[in-house]
Amino acid sequence: TQLLEQSPQFLSIQEGENLTVYCNSSSVFSSLQWYRQEPGEGPVLLVTVVTGGEVKKLKRLTFQFGDARKDSSLHITAAQPGDTGLYLCAGALGGGSYIPTFGRGTSLIVHP
Amino acid sequence: KAGVTQTPRYLIKTRGQQVTLSCSPISGHRSVSWYQQTPGQGLQFLFEYFSETQRNKGNFPGRFSGRQFSNSRSEMNVSTLELGDSALYLCASSLGSRDNEQFFGPGTRLTVL
Repeated sequence: TQLLEQSPQFLSIQEGENLTVYCNSSSVFSSLQWYRQEPGEGPVLLVTVVTGGEVKKLKRLTFQFGDARKDSSLHITAAQPGDTGLYLCAGALGGGSYIPTFGRGTSLIVHP
Repeated sequence: KAGVTQTPRYLIKTRGQQVTLSCSPISGHRSVSWYQQTPGQGLQFLFEYFSETQRNKGNFPGRFSGRQFSNSRSEMNVSTLELGDSALYLCASSLGSRDNEQFFGPGTRLTVL
């Protein structure tokens, strides 16, 4: 059982469309991160959210952390081909040790 | 400054063999974490080393081990390879505090035949 469930698993859209990907859990996370991974590369951190209800914007990307800190969403406005990649969410449970948990990712393809 | 480097980038082994992967962190970073990425399981945490000591460990069998040297470079070893060990192995470095950003390397693609 995956601690962090991401949906949808795959997304294929046209340039200019909007999209939202979700990251859900039954556990409470002290913080949650979103990464983008391109083929042949390691994941690159996009944002970290730590406060329930927090909303962060990064150009055309909007990230939201749920009030209960169990879920998060990533919304992309006017998607571009350069947004193509695997989007991963990762959460840190509370406590002294830090063992990050990753979702399986949403594979996004944006067609020109 | 240079990013995280991993060697080799690609590796083919047969069942029963062992393999050693190497990771050089960003200069100044003292924490190195290792992850296994497969299509079925996604990205899973193997272990983290900080100042030459294993600080955190994921849920992998003892065939998976690692170490860190005084210059923060790290190696990961997998013994008695199984077909299911075929994966992309990623390492990530950070300054070492819980909230520090992790920077990932490009990974080593291991294929076990």
